[in-house]
Amino acid sequence: KQEVTQIPAALSVPEGENLVLNCSFTDSAIYNLQWFRQDPGKGLTSLLLIQSSQREQTSGRLNASLDKSSGRSTLYIAASQPGDSATYLCAVAAGNKLTFGGGTRVLVKP
Amino acid sequence: GAVVSQHPSRVICKSGTSVKIECRSLDFQATTMFWYRQFPKQSLMLMATSNEGSKATYEQGVEKDKFLINHASLTLSTLTVTSAHPEDSSFYICSARGSGGAFFNEQFFGPGTRLTVL
Repeated sequence: KQEVTQIPAALSVPEGENLVLNCSFTDSAIYNLQWFRQDPGKGLTSLLLIQSSQREQTSGRLNASLDKSSGRSTLYIAASQPGDSATYLCAVAAGNKLTFGGGTRVLVKP
Repeated sequence: GAVVSQHPSRVICKSGTSVKIECRSLDFQATTMFWYRQFPKQSLMLMATSNEGSKATYEQGVEKDKFLINHASLTLSTLTVTSAHPEDSSFYICSARGSGGAFFNEQFFGPGTRLTVL
C-alpha cells in the first residue's frame, strides 16, 4: 500500500526566504507526482506535475524535483511572499489512484 | 481547458436527510471520476472511483449504501449522501480524468462541496 509523508507538517518563514517542502513515498512504482496548493476552505490548485520519467519541473518561482528510486520529491519556492501562505499537498499516482500526503501548512510572515 | 465544477459549493442539511452533490467536467469527457473526503486539517482520502456506465469501486471502510455514486454520462458524476448524520459533515472533492491525450495521465479537481449536517 502506497504511503505518502510530508515533512514538516507546518512551516513559518519570513517573507523573502526560500521554502523547501519535502514529500516521500514508499512505493516507487508511480506514474507521476503532483504538487497542489490548497487555501483554507477551498479546493486544490495544481502547481506542478512531474512524470515518472522526469527529474524536475519548473514554473516561475516554483521548482519540484523527483527522485523516484529513493521515493522523494522536493518543492522549492523561491523568494517567498505572504501570498504563498497555504497548505501544500503532494500526491503520487499509481495504478488508478492518487495517494495524498498529509500536507505542509506554510505561513509566510510579512 | 480541463475545468471541473461542483454543485453546490456549500450545503447545510438536517440529520436523516439525503444530499446530492454534482461533479461535472466542463470541457472534456471524463471516463473516470473520483470522490474524495477531507476532514478539517487533514488530507484528502479517496472514497470511490467511478467509470462511466459502470458501478463505482469503493475504498475499504466506505459504505456504498450510504454514499451512492452515479456516473451516467461522460461529463457528470453524482454523490448522494443518504440519511446524513453529523459525522458525515466534511469537505467533499471530486476529480475527473479523461480517456486519452493530455487528459489521461492527470486528475483535474473540482472546487469542493462543504457539507454540514445539523
